Amino acid sequence: QSALTQPPSASGSPGQSVTISCTGASSDLHDYTSVSWYQQHPGKAPKLLIYEVTKRPSGVPDRFSGSKSGNTASLTVSGLQAEDEADYYCSSYADTNNVLFGGGTKLTVL
Amino acid sequence: QLQLQESGPGLVKPSGTLSLTCTVSGASINSGRHYWAWIRQPPGKGLEWIGNAYYTGTTYYNPSVKGRVTMSLHTSENQFSLRLSSVTAADTAVYYCASSENGDFSWFHYWGQGTLVTVSS
Repeated sequence: QSALTQPPSASGSPGQSVTISCTGASSDLHDYTSVSWYQQHPGKAPKLLIYEVTKRPSGVPDRFSGSKSGNTASLTVSGLQAEDEADYYCSSYADTNNVLFGGGTKLTVL
Repeated sequence: QLQLQESGPGLVKPSGTLSLTCTVSGASINSGRHYWAWIRQPPGKGLEWIGNAYYTGTTYYNPSVKGRVTMSLHTSENQFSLRLSSVTAADTAVYYCASSENGDFSWFHYWGQGTLVTVSS
C-alpha cells in the first residue's frame, strides 16, 4: 500500500489559519475513522495532536482541529504561533492490520 | 505517565541483524490497554510503521519488512524488542518505540526519544 499523500509544505503568518490535507485510498482513509495527526519538531519525537479524525489528547490546544471528507483528511491550525513551525504527519489504519503515514508537511510560520 | 526508552547498537553491518529494545515504565507490557509499536524515520524523510505487538503475543507487521522483522514482548523485564534481519543501507533510520492507548491499533500517544541506527561496514 502507498503512503498517504500530503503537500510537502505549507505556510502562514502569525494569527492566520492553515489547513494541511492528507489523501488516501478507499482501503484506508475513506473506510475508517482511524485518522491521526502528529507534530514533529526538529530532532524530537513525534507528538500526537489528533486521533479518531477529530479528537485531541489532553494538553493539545484547541487551535488544532481535524476533519475528514471521503478519502481526504485535514488538519487545521488556527491562530498560528511561532512554535507551530514543525513537520506534520497524518496517519491512518489500513487493510489489513496495517498503519500508513503521510510523507509529511513542513509548516513555516512567516 | 507511560514512558518509553529505546536502547541498542547504533551501528550494524550490511546483511547483519538490527536489534533494539524498548523499556517501558509507568505501565505494564501485559496490559491489554496498549499496542506496542516500532516506527522508523530515515534521515530527512517521513515516518514508517514497522509493526505492532499486543500483550497476547500477537504481532502485526508492515508488508514492506515482513519476512525480515520479529517483534517480541519480554514481560519479566517490562520490555519489548525489534529484530530486523538482512539489513541494508536503506534500513538506516531513527527508530522509535511507541505505544497506543485504550486498545487503539493505529494511533500512538506515547513515544520514546528515538535511537539512530546506521547500517554501514
